[in-house]
Amino acid sequence: GAGVSQSPRYKVTKRGQDVALRCDPISGHVSLYWYRQALGQGPEFLTYFNYEAQQDKSGLPNDRFSAERPEGSISTLTIQRTEQRDSAMYRCASSPQRGELFFGEGSRLTVL
Amino acid sequence: AQKVTQAQTEISVVEKEDVTLDCVYETRDTTYYLFWYKQPPSGELVFLIRRNSFDEQNEISGRYSWNFQKSTSSFNFTITASQVVDSAVYFCALSRELGSSNTGKLIFGQGTTLQVKP
Repeated sequence: GAGVSQSPRYKVTKRGQDVALRCDPISGHVSLYWYRQALGQGPEFLTYFNYEAQQDKSGLPNDRFSAERPEGSISTLTIQRTEQRDSAMYRCASSPQRGELFFGEGSRLTVL
Repeated sequence: AQKVTQAQTEISVVEKEDVTLDCVYETRDTTYYLFWYKQPPSGELVFLIRRNSFDEQNEISGRYSWNFQKSTSSFNFTITASQVVDSAVYFCALSRELGSSNTGKLIFGQGTTLQVKP
């Protein structure tokens, strides 16, 4: 597609439910990144992939968070047993191999 | 450790005023990259500029200009003749070098909210 596409744009869920957030990067972009942005804060790195390989997951807060990119294109960020503190904007970005990041519009998660 | 500090939380100016957004960074790397992003009220993150630490030339793009001072670890952003459409949150960010380019693992500052009043 023309830009990075994320879905859903808004997700409200109850505490304890699992959530899956999807990112469709710009076609041909090798690298895909996930960031989390709390209200009033800058984005914080979570994890990234080159092709299908997860290169760095040092930013994932705990083992309830996981991400995959099985075919080197679309990626899914999964949060299991959601907690209220998981509420945030989750942003995906893609880039050619090394270069500027193009961010999607984000998925706003609210955990009640 | 890498860190980016944007000390100005909020700035309010009247249209046509010039405004400078400050960014101070910390890194032990000799080569690194600096960025500015704009987050308008609609919420997306818009790339504005990327700078390599070896390139200390100031850059101008229309009403936007950037002043990179390695000696003071600052990468300030000036908007000349501000307009209402410039109202947004602006983020400064830092990344390490990978090969001949940057990694996408950015360290962002807290952001500066700019309000331009008509």
